Amino acid sequence: TQLLEQSPQFLSIQEGENLTVYCNSSSVFSSLQWYRQEPGEGPVLLVTVVTGGEVKKLKRLTFQFGDARKDSSLHITAAQPGDTGLYLCAGSRGSNYKLTFGKGTLLTVNP
Amino acid sequence: ETGVTQTPRHLVMGMTNKKSLKCEQHLGHNAMYWYKQSAKKPLELMFVYNFKEQTENNSVPSRFSPECPNSSHLFLHLHTLQPEDSALYLCASSQDGGGIEPQHFGDGTRLSIL
Repeated sequence: TQLLEQSPQFLSIQEGENLTVYCNSSSVFSSLQWYRQEPGEGPVLLVTVVTGGEVKKLKRLTFQFGDARKDSSLHITAAQPGDTGLYLCAGSRGSNYKLTFGKGTLLTVNP
Repeated sequence: ETGVTQTPRHLVMGMTNKKSLKCEQHLGHNAMYWYKQSAKKPLELMFVYNFKEQTENNSVPSRFSPECPNSSHLFLHLHTLQPEDSALYLCASSQDGGGIEPQHFGDGTRLSIL
């Protein structure tokens, strides 16, 4: 059983469209991170959320942590081809080092 | 040079070969990690070192043997691998072993077992 479910698995959209991807779990996480991985590269951290209900914005990206700290969403406004990549969510269940990753959402933004 | 560097970037080996993957971080971090990334699977944590001590072995087969000679270097020694071990192997580091801290990843070694 996968601890973190990400949806959709694949998403292909046109430049300028808005989109939302989701990261859901039946477990509570003390913090949740979002990473973006581009082809041929390692994941790069986008944001960390720690408080239930927290909303963080990074330019055109808006991240939300669910009130119960079991789920998170990433909304991208006016997507650009440079947003193309694999979006991974990863949760931590305490002060230890162990991150649990989802399978990711592979986003393609077509010009 | 900054960040996390992994070598080689690509490796093709037979099942009877012995090879090693290398990871080096120039960030002054104290924790280092090995992950396996396979198609259609989540990133799988393999090993964790914190201040050069191994603190996690996530039920990894003994054909994978990690080594951390100092806080800046991490190796993954490979021997008698199986075709299902073909994957992208990612190294990461973080300041310490706290789950909230960002992990900085290298670009990985793409491993193919013939």
